Amino acid sequence: DAGITQSPRHKVTETGTPVTLRCHQTENHRYMYWYRQDPGHGLRLIHYSYGVKDTDKGEVSDGYSVSRSKTEDFLLTLESATSSQTSVYFCAISESAAGRGETQYFGPGTRLLVL
Amino acid sequence: GDSVTQMEGPVTLSEEAFLTINCTYTATGYPSLFWYVQYPGEGLQLLLKATKADDKGSNKGFEATYRKETTSFHLEKGSVQVSDSAVYFCALSGSGGSYIPTFGRGTSLIVHP
Repeated sequence: DAGITQSPRHKVTETGTPVTLRCHQTENHRYMYWYRQDPGHGLRLIHYSYGVKDTDKGEVSDGYSVSRSKTEDFLLTLESATSSQTSVYFCAISESAAGRGETQYFGPGTRLLVL
Repeated sequence: GDSVTQMEGPVTLSEEAFLTINCTYTATGYPSLFWYVQYPGEGLQLLLKATKADDKGSNKGFEATYRKETTSFHLEKGSVQVSDSAVYFCALSGSGGSYIPTFGRGTSLIVHP
């Protein structure tokens, strides 16, 4: 199994508070991704990174920011959490660009509930 | 843009039944095709993939063949087990039409003893 951990695994927070989710990998893969999974929507890409300090937006990036200061860590921040951001968040990694046919490896997920 | 369409679930089967989960796609170019599986409470993991037309991906008794003429990548298994109960995602990438992978919405499979 690919060495990917996510923390926290579960979080309950209140509307308007900032939240940071962490993804840590031990595979030294260049690409990292944040997805959210919601019933009826499948997986939707929030942001991705193609190297240290290199990030780009996905299809549902509004209300989220990311940072990558080290190869192994990719942080997702909800600046001011809203109930619509209640979801399960998955981190994924790939050795080269997943958009070029590369396999992605997924973390175990973080369940976030915004009250 | 690229898109992936999967049959809606849940698919409910008895143990040892034959499984087919349909997946069709729209893409420019020649994408790689994937099936990922998500067991309850876990992240997605690669089940199988195919990178060119007529390739057959296989793993754990599951198979799927890349059919360019019908733009399909249907997942099959001859005899399902209770432990196969999971959500299955079809995906494509590398078509040249998008810089990120495209996932289907997932199909839930429930296998009863």
